[in-house]
Amino acid sequence: EVQLLESGGGLVQPGGSLRLSCAASGFTFIGHAMNWVRQAPGKGLEWVSSISGTGAGTYFADSVKGRFTISRDNSKNTLFLQMNSLRVEDTAVYYCARDQGTSGRPHYFDNWGQGTLVTVSS
Amino acid sequence: QSVLTQPPSVSAAPGQKVTISCSGSSSNIAYNYVSWYQHLPGAAPKLLIYDSNKRPSGIPDRFSGSQSGTSATLGITGLQTGDEADYYCGTWDSSLSAGVFGGGTKLTVL
Repeated sequence: EVQLLESGGGLVQPGGSLRLSCAASGFTFIGHAMNWVRQAPGKGLEWVSSISGTGAGTYFADSVKGRFTISRDNSKNTLFLQMNSLRVEDTAVYYCARDQGTSGRPHYFDNWGQGTLVTVSS
Repeated sequence: QSVLTQPPSVSAAPGQKVTISCSGSSSNIAYNYVSWYQHLPGAAPKLLIYDSNKRPSGIPDRFSGSQSGTSATLGITGLQTGDEADYYCGTWDSSLSAGVFGGGTKLTVL
């Protein structure tokens, strides 16, 4: 059974940093690109970033480009999202989602975690 | 403002059929497959349709998808109260080099 478990969320001040993790199990991790998708309070889903199976290719939404970094440790089946220069508008539930493809360019997301809440507030 | 446009809400009676539209452009839906997701409050989003019209195992055939030109449609027949949720379309946008979602449609089963 595919399982994705996010962690690392919490309260952070504007301008601060946070690192999210997503522990994956139940599948061959390197065989799938991975994504982060977020949902701000009262808003819809927003794709944030993706990374290829090998980690060589990454993509970012314009709203986080230059501030967020995505990475993965295939030896530990773990996906990361390093979030710097956080803004109030980054407040959201962040979901880790498995992509059916391997290239990093988002195709479709066939498994999702339960999400971790990030609150950016002073 | 989402790149893909969905109606904010739709509603229908139990047992009836509903369709949810997703309108895009030549940089996204016209040349890339659309997927659809169901999102219940407090739960993880769930894949309903991928590659325009394919259903993952376990998704009943009450759910269907279609895609033509710059638009896509999700259809749900035999509506049940358990279908009440938010529904999102998603695809790749070649101009933005980014994944994109619609703004979401809230389905109410009256």
